[in-house]
Amino acid sequence: AQSVTQLGSHVSVSEGALVLLRCNYSSSVPPYLFWYVQYPNQGLQLLLKYTSAATLVKGINGFEAEFKKSETSFHLTKPSAHMSDAAEYFCAVRRPGADGLTFGKGTHLIIQP
Amino acid sequence: NAGVMQNPRHLVRRRGQEARLRCSPMKGHSHVYWYRQLPEEGLKFMVYLQKENIIDESGMPKERFSAEFPKEGPSILRIQQVVRGDSAAYFCASSPNADTEAFFGQGTRLTVV
Repeated sequence: AQSVTQLGSHVSVSEGALVLLRCNYSSSVPPYLFWYVQYPNQGLQLLLKYTSAATLVKGINGFEAEFKKSETSFHLTKPSAHMSDAAEYFCAVRRPGADGLTFGKGTHLIIQP
Repeated sequence: NAGVMQNPRHLVRRRGQEARLRCSPMKGHSHVYWYRQLPEEGLKFMVYLQKENIIDESGMPKERFSAEFPKEGPSILRIQQVVRGDSAAYFCASSPNADTEAFFGQGTRLTVV
């Protein structure tokens, strides 16, 4: 079985500050890992994914995430927050060859002007 | 290439009625996944289908819920005799195969009154 824990249901940062959204996973085998963003009343948009290639993954909108096997983490970062980054962010895991994604509960990112 | 299309976007049903949610995958995608998102929760996997086959329905409630993906036409998630607890956002995702990331639709928000 696999699971995802996102620390902090709400994270607030100032515009221009570093964004750090935490994600820890548990999986019996090396998983695929994903970050999605959801804007209000919208579907999910893929930000980035890790599929056992480079451990530092760059995504859209300036986001990146680093896979750390020893820490079972896949934290999402962005050097400088923008007001348009305010949204809900979901970390997800999938065992290679398995069906469907297992999602964390999400982190609501708030950007203070 | 249009994205994953879900309709309706909003659906209101009275308790005891049936709800039918439709999902047209992206062109060339034969794998469809349905997820449910309850308020303040992450997405929960419900069912994975390929054309005319249910591959994994481990996340589907045992009663009242069914899904299909016919040879022609959209995938349908059907909820019979809806109850208030069925109120949620239902998302469909599609992919060309089981090993690539899935693209999400904008969801159907079901409200049971």
